[in-house]
Amino acid sequence: ILNVEQSPQSLHVQEGDSTNFTCSFPSSNFYALHWYRWETAKSPEALFVMTLNGDEKKKGRISATLNTKEGYSYLYIKGSQPEDSATYLCASTSGYSTLTFGKGTMLLVSP
Amino acid sequence: GAGVSQSPSNKVTEKGKDVELRCDPISGHTALYWYRQSLGQGLEFLIYFQGNSAPDKSGLPSDRFSAERTGGSVSTLTIQRTQQEDSAVYLCASSHSRDREHFGPGTRLTVL
Repeated sequence: ILNVEQSPQSLHVQEGDSTNFTCSFPSSNFYALHWYRWETAKSPEALFVMTLNGDEKKKGRISATLNTKEGYSYLYIKGSQPEDSATYLCASTSGYSTLTFGKGTMLLVSP
Repeated sequence: GAGVSQSPSNKVTEKGKDVELRCDPISGHTALYWYRQSLGQGLEFLIYFQGNSAPDKSGLPSDRFSAERTGGSVSTLTIQRTQQEDSAVYLCASSHSRDREHFGPGTRLTVL
């Protein structure tokens, strides 16, 4: 059974601050790491899917890195905006398992 | 294009009643998943359908939970004799491959 951990549980920053979150996952038999953004009353939106050690992906002000050997991924947000407020979920798959999600990091960006 | 839809969006029921939650996946997606998020918890996998294969029911928390997928498309998650701990947001997702899932808006279930 996969155990995906995310930290911090919640984060409150000011507009313009840069921030980052951590996702740790079992590195054995790793297949893929997903990041989702989940706004209240909406469905989770896929941000990134990463599979290779050392992968770095970027989407606007948001970027993510992946270390499959040590089992962690970082999500970075540069110059946070109020519209970035959401819960950021990471999920991992290994072998033929379905996605196992972490509990998420709840981000609040104040104007 | 049309995404994954779920109904109802909100459901309030009394303890002991049965409920049915519906998911309409994206057309052509062979994989369909049900998850739930209880208060303060991460997304919890419930059940996975892939084409005509037998579903992976390993995440269903008890025998009060069942799901079916008719004609490889619409899926219904049924919870019998609901309990207060069943209160959660139930999310459905579909995918064409295992790499990316498209989520529906969820059904918020409240059991009084």
